[in-house]
Parts: sequence; structure tokens; C-alpha cells
Amino acid sequence: DAGITQSPRHKVTETGTPVTLRCHQTENHRYMYWYRQDPGHGLRLIHYSYGVKDTDKGEVSDGYSVSRSKTEDFLLTLESATSSQTSVYFCAIKGGDTYNEQFFGPGTRLTVL
Amino acid sequence: EDQVTQSPEALRLQEGESSSLNCSYTVSGLRGLFWYRQDPGKGPEFLFTLYSAGEEKEKERLKATLTKKESFLHITAPKPEDSATYLCAVRRNQAGTALIFGKGTTLSVSS
Repeated sequence: DAGITQSPRHKVTETGTPVTLRCHQTENHRYMYWYRQDPGHGLRLIHYSYGVKDTDKGEVSDGYSVSRSKTEDFLLTLESATSSQTSVYFCAIKGGDTYNEQFFGPGTRLTVL
Repeated sequence: EDQVTQSPEALRLQEGESSSLNCSYTVSGLRGLFWYRQDPGKGPEFLFTLYSAGEEKEKERLKATLTKKESFLHITAPKPEDSATYLCAVRRNQAGTALIFGKGTTLSVSS
């Protein structure tokens, strides 16, 4: 257990509304990631953070923004949700014996109607 | 282009019937190959990291091996509780340390 929680775990929203997903970790990890998982695709990186207020884009960052004001929290915001953003969102941290592995949270299932 | 391909997409086994899952990859500057297990409705669970050709890692009925172009996840005498989707990912030698994932192999083991 990497001490990662995600909230909410499920959310249904309407097109055009803003949505914020939260990832919380309890072990002071520097690196945090947001991925999305869709049928027919592997997990794809949206954004990642390498420290407080330090973030960068991933492969599928369009339509998403992130913020990290505290080490333990990494927020993912959909400014104006679209149906194509219906997905399962996973947060991950980098850690492990060699500090090279990523450990994932339980996920948030988001449905945009 | 960096890419990870897993095969087969789905695999059905009888309990005790050993088999292997394949992960082939093309990546510039491999900095690790990772295997995860994912149960329905849950996040991926880390299994193994492999770094260099010839390396092997074992855990219970699972053994992962690595060559310069692919990795295999061998499952010996599987049990129904081994049923899950197995994901392969690679880390490339680039800032950000992001992983590139394959689409996974869904394993079903029946008793």
C-alpha cells in the first residue's frame, strides 16, 4: 500500500462543467502522476509533478490542468468537461527500493454526459 | 516512436496449465521494464522491474524475463486467483520518468 487515496472515486457530470479530481499521498513522495485508462488504450500520462508547484505535460494533456500546492496533494482539473474525457483516472507516485517504480491509487471513474 | 505491444490480448487457461505472456518494446534508452497486475475496478499493482537483458525476477507462480526486444511473464501452474489483466510498461531515458504502457493481457484461469 503506497498510501495513495483518490477522491471522488466515482463522478458523473455534464458536458461543459468544471471537474477537479484529487490525489492525496501520505509518504512525502516528490514525483506524482496523473494517467487515464480507456478501453483499447494503455494507461496514458496526462500530467506529472516533480515537486511543489513544479509540473509538466504528458502525452494527453489537452483539456486538463494540474496544481500542486502541497507535497501531499496533486489536483487534476478539467476546465470544461467533454464526453471524450469520460475515463478512469489514476494517480501514481514514484518510489520503491530503487526509486524507479510507480505505485498507483485506486482510481476515479468519471462519466461526462 | 517508443512503443509497447502485449500479446495475446486475452488468454484462457485451465488451472495448472502453464503459459507465457509477451511484451515487445521499442524504446530509446530503456531505463526499466515493469510488470503490473490489475484487477477489475482497481489500480495497477506493481509486480516486477527488469533492467537488463538476461535478468529474471520471480514471485510465487510468476517469473518475468527480459531480452533486448521483449519480456515474458511466465505463469507456472496458475490458479483462478491469478485471473487479472497484466500490464507491461517501459521507462525511457528522458526527463519526467513517465511510463509507456502496453494495452495489457487479460488472463482467465478456470478451475
